[in-house]
Amino acid sequence: AQTVTQSQPEMSVQEAETVTLSCTYDTSESDYYLFWYKQPPSRQMILVIRQEAYKQQNATENRFSVNFQKAAKSFSLKISDSQLGDAAMYFCAYGAGSYQLTFGKGTKLSVIP
Amino acid sequence: EPEVTQTPSHQVTQMGQEVILRCVPISNHLYFYWYRQILGQKVEFLVSFYNNEISEKSEIFDDQFSVERPDGSNFTLKIRSTKLEDSAMYFCASSGGASSNYGYTFGSGTRLTVV
Repeated sequence: AQTVTQSQPEMSVQEAETVTLSCTYDTSESDYYLFWYKQPPSRQMILVIRQEAYKQQNATENRFSVNFQKAAKSFSLKISDSQLGDAAMYFCAYGAGSYQLTFGKGTKLSVIP
Repeated sequence: EPEVTQTPSHQVTQMGQEVILRCVPISNHLYFYWYRQILGQKVEFLVSFYNNEISEKSEIFDDQFSVERPDGSNFTLKIRSTKLEDSAMYFCASSGGASSNYGYTFGSGTRLTVV
């Protein structure tokens, strides 16, 4: 079974600084997708960024980028120029053709003004 | 931007009662899902639904759970006889594609409290 591990229960970052959230996963599939979701205090799940495993190029969405290391099964999220609105729970998730996504336990990010 | 809408946002029910959680998926999406998140824990898959039938379900989705698309717009999750451990945030999601590869659009969730 696929597993997703987020080893940092909590992280903090100074406003305008850069922070990296870690995620590792375990799979025997060769073709799959990885996601980062943001869950602010409102509890809504918001898709931040998506990476296709067959693409070597790391995905980027404005201030959010990933470092995808397929051999190491690592998928970290980098947030540049952190803003107060980035404070949230961040979940890493894995999907491989079946209907379900497998989520990690999340990392709570605090942004210090 | 299209949204997935869930109602109610918060529901309190007595143990043993039936509850129905409602969702309106994005109108041109064909694949629908329910996930739950017990407070402080990770998001867990419950069930996926396509073409008026369940396409995949998890071990959590036992006989006390059922899903239905009663009309062209709503997608519901019924819990027949609620237990204390059913207290959680329940998320509905929809996607246009047939697999998890697309990354769904989630609703804002329904917080279910069983007392």
